[in-house]
Amino acid sequence: QVQLQESGPGLVKPSETLSLTCTASGASISSYYWSWIRQPPGKGLEWIGYIYYSGSTNYNPSLKSRVTISVDTSKNQFSLKLSSVTAADTALYYCARDRDYYGNWGQGTLVTVST
Amino acid sequence: DIQMTQSPSSLAASVGDRITITCRASQTISSFLNWYQQKPGKAPKLLIYVTTNLQSGVPSRFSGSGSGTDFTLTIGSLQPEDFATYYCQQSYRTPYTFGQGTKLEIK
Repeated sequence: QVQLQESGPGLVKPSETLSLTCTASGASISSYYWSWIRQPPGKGLEWIGYIYYSGSTNYNPSLKSRVTISVDTSKNQFSLKLSSVTAADTALYYCARDRDYYGNWGQGTLVTVST
Repeated sequence: DIQMTQSPSSLAASVGDRITITCRASQTISSFLNWYQQKPGKAPKLLIYVTTNLQSGVPSRFSGSGSGTDFTLTIGSLQPEDFATYYCQQSYRTPYTFGQGTKLEIK
């Protein structure tokens, strides 16, 4: 049974970089695509991007200049970095397994951008 | 980007009702349409993928249909645990996009 767990700071200052990690258990990072999706409080879902274990990535163009997704196969983890954050980046951030549709999600982690 | 529009945005129904939620894409997405259920404070749960395929463990009262630009999610007989928000998502072309959600409430 695949389990995903997001971790990282819950509060980030404007203009700084948001950094989150997703740890997978029950599935090898080296066997799947891995994705990040976010949801502003009370709003809908936004696809951020995905990575394959080889390092191949695909990002949402609306975030592309600010986002980096990376993978660490030795730790069975993948990570999200979002630079130059603003209040508009305040959201619940989810990691998920697979590229196109998501049968396995983390519980989500709320990141608030504020001074 | 492909825009996904769900209707209605909210729906009140009773236990035992049959309901349908519609999702329309701004351009053809073939059959690359997925449906999720989300309850408050929880991650979305995949119900149906690629228009008609029921995710493992999802009750058979959930079904999906459509192709091209118009898709539907049908719940055959509403159960108390079905009251939630439902989202469609296209996986035809990146950036993948979601509908705005349909909130299903108890009448």
